[in-house]
Amino acid sequence: GDSVTQMEGPVTLSEEAFLTINCTYTATGYPSLFWYVQYPGEGLQLLLKATKADDKGSNKGFEATYRKETTSFHLEKGSVQVSDSAVYFCALISGTGANSKLTFGKGITLSVRP
Amino acid sequence: DTGVSQDPRHKITKRGQNVTFRCDPISEHNRLYWYRQTLGQGPEFLTYFQNEAQLEKSRLLSDRFSAERPKGSFSTLEIQRTEQGDSAMYLCASSLTLVQGAWGYTFGSGTRLTVV
Repeated sequence: GDSVTQMEGPVTLSEEAFLTINCTYTATGYPSLFWYVQYPGEGLQLLLKATKADDKGSNKGFEATYRKETTSFHLEKGSVQVSDSAVYFCALISGTGANSKLTFGKGITLSVRP
Repeated sequence: DTGVSQDPRHKITKRGQNVTFRCDPISEHNRLYWYRQTLGQGPEFLTYFQNEAQLEKSRLLSDRFSAERPKGSFSTLEIQRTEQGDSAMYLCASSLTLVQGAWGYTFGSGTRLTVV
């Protein structure tokens, strides 16, 4: 079945540091890939997405590129801020119609210190 | 319509009691999903509805769990004879199905259940 594997956490960075959060996946066909973010006390929010190979999703300074050859969708940001402290989930949807639903990784907690 | 609403936000119950959660999706969304999230894990799929029809149930959804979506609007998730292992955050999401597949999930803030 479909699965998403994220790097182990938590991750603690200083403000303005470079961020990489690794994500790899296993899926049938050609899934759509997503990063969701969960701020403390809030619901899951879509951060960015990519629907086909070599697509780059970007939002709020975060980027991720859909790499079919390595089945990866790593999240990057050049300069993190304290406000980026949250839990980040990589997710995918494979299949269409009745079979399409989100499958999530375990998530990783990012803490950014001033 | 400001988003997906879940009620209550928190629920503490004694083991063996029944609990019911409610989810109000975005009104024009035809799909509604229930997920469960335990500490240190990502959300795990429980079940989903397209309009009023329940199309899929996960193996995680034991016989003690039942979900309904009468009239294709709000949904309820009931857990009977709660166990401590049911303690988790229960998330609801809705989406508008397109030909290419479900898209644009919007999640609620969740209901945190604690079974004591």
